[in-house]
Amino acid sequence: DTAVSQTPKYLVTQMGNDKSIKCEQNLGHDTMYWYKQDSKKFLKIMFSYNNKELIINETVPNRFSPKSPDKAHLNLHINSLELGDSAVYFCASSPLAGGSTDTQYFGPGTRLTVL
Amino acid sequence: GNSVTQMEGPVTLSEEAFLTINCTYTATGYPSLFWYVQYPGEGLQLLLKATKADDKGSNKGFEATYRKETTSFHLEKGSVQVSDSAVYFCALGDSGGYQKVTFGTGTKLQVIP
Repeated sequence: DTAVSQTPKYLVTQMGNDKSIKCEQNLGHDTMYWYKQDSKKFLKIMFSYNNKELIINETVPNRFSPKSPDKAHLNLHINSLELGDSAVYFCASSPLAGGSTDTQYFGPGTRLTVL
Repeated sequence: GNSVTQMEGPVTLSEEAFLTINCTYTATGYPSLFWYVQYPGEGLQLLLKATKADDKGSNKGFEATYRKETTSFHLEKGSVQVSDSAVYFCALGDSGGYQKVTFGTGTKLQVIP
């Protein structure tokens, strides 16, 4: 029944490793997002996809690469993890692309800790 | 570019107190405005929204009115409960194109019995 799900919920890894976070939405939405929330709760958009096409790509290190195999999935792959990557990563979706009135539906978050 | 400014927290209130969390914004055009709430250990969820000037959004006893003249969207509740303890985010929807939402820095609310 979960509308937006993410796996894993917790991820602890060593510096330099490569890891992926998966996101799936069963709402039939066209647009999906990745956000990063730091320890002070500041939320910053990283990427947005509409129907598998990248539409927002904020200033994010190219170690971060989103992949959307279909419009229900948006995965985040991170290469060569650094200490500063430690944060909570949220996936979200919204019904349409364009138009500013859409509600965004957030997943439960993935807490990434880089040691 | 667009920006959202919220009052810094944490805000600590006794149960049944009146709540105001201030939010002002800078934007071109006619953005939509949102309040999202994040309960401990969870993702954000929409609390209320307003899509045009003078609209009032309301939900669960919370209200906010879209004031274009003061570029504000302050969140209010007449009587808070312990269960309202959470982080509240004011957000602005980009009217210019794709669904880019700009979030404020969040205000943590703690309600004590």
